Amino acid sequence: AQKITQTQPGMFVQEKEAVTLDCTYDTSDQSYGLFWYKQPSSGEMIFLIYQGSYDEQNATEGRYSLNFQKARKSANLVISASQLGDSAMYFCAMRKLQGAQKLVFGQGTRLTINP
Amino acid sequence: SAVISQKPSRDICQRGTSLTIQCQVDSQVTMMFWYRQQPGQSLTLIATANQGSEATYESGFVIDKFPISRPNLTFSTLTVSNMSPEDSSIYLCSGALARQETQYFGPGTRLLVL
Repeated sequence: AQKITQTQPGMFVQEKEAVTLDCTYDTSDQSYGLFWYKQPSSGEMIFLIYQGSYDEQNATEGRYSLNFQKARKSANLVISASQLGDSAMYFCAMRKLQGAQKLVFGQGTRLTINP
Repeated sequence: SAVISQKPSRDICQRGTSLTIQCQVDSQVTMMFWYRQQPGQSLTLIATANQGSEATYESGFVIDKFPISRPNLTFSTLTVSNMSPEDSSIYLCSGALARQETQYFGPGTRLLVL
């Protein structure tokens, strides 16, 4: 079974600072993918970034980067130069890359950016 | 990426009634899924919608309560049957394109059952 753990229920950061959201995972699969989604108060789930278990380099998408440490089973999201619009819930998720494609989600971290 | 729309965006329903949520994608996704997000909680998969056949339900979810259809590659419906206040949640549809790893989500349907 797969499990995602996000240990930070809430984070408060000053605008323009960088922020790291923690995510650890547990799986017995050799091939898997890790995802981060942003959920603003509107409720939609916005895909941010993806990291495959066999990818040797950390994924980056604009201001988002994923700090992937396979041996430690962690996949932290780093947001650089935070903006007020970054305030939202952030979910880490994973799925195995063969077979069933269902996503398993962590409990989320509520990020608040202060002006 | 895939653009996914859902209808309705929100609804308030009386207990004992049923609501059907529609999900439309703009590309031929290989997989479609329905998730539930209860208030203050994370997302939980209800079922995988299979084209032309019965959906595959996760533990704790049954077809009589959450019947799902997927008549073609780009359209699916989820019905929440015989609703109770415990069904008040956000229901999200998602899709995965062929040869892509990412699942994209619709905007969600906010359901309040009184």
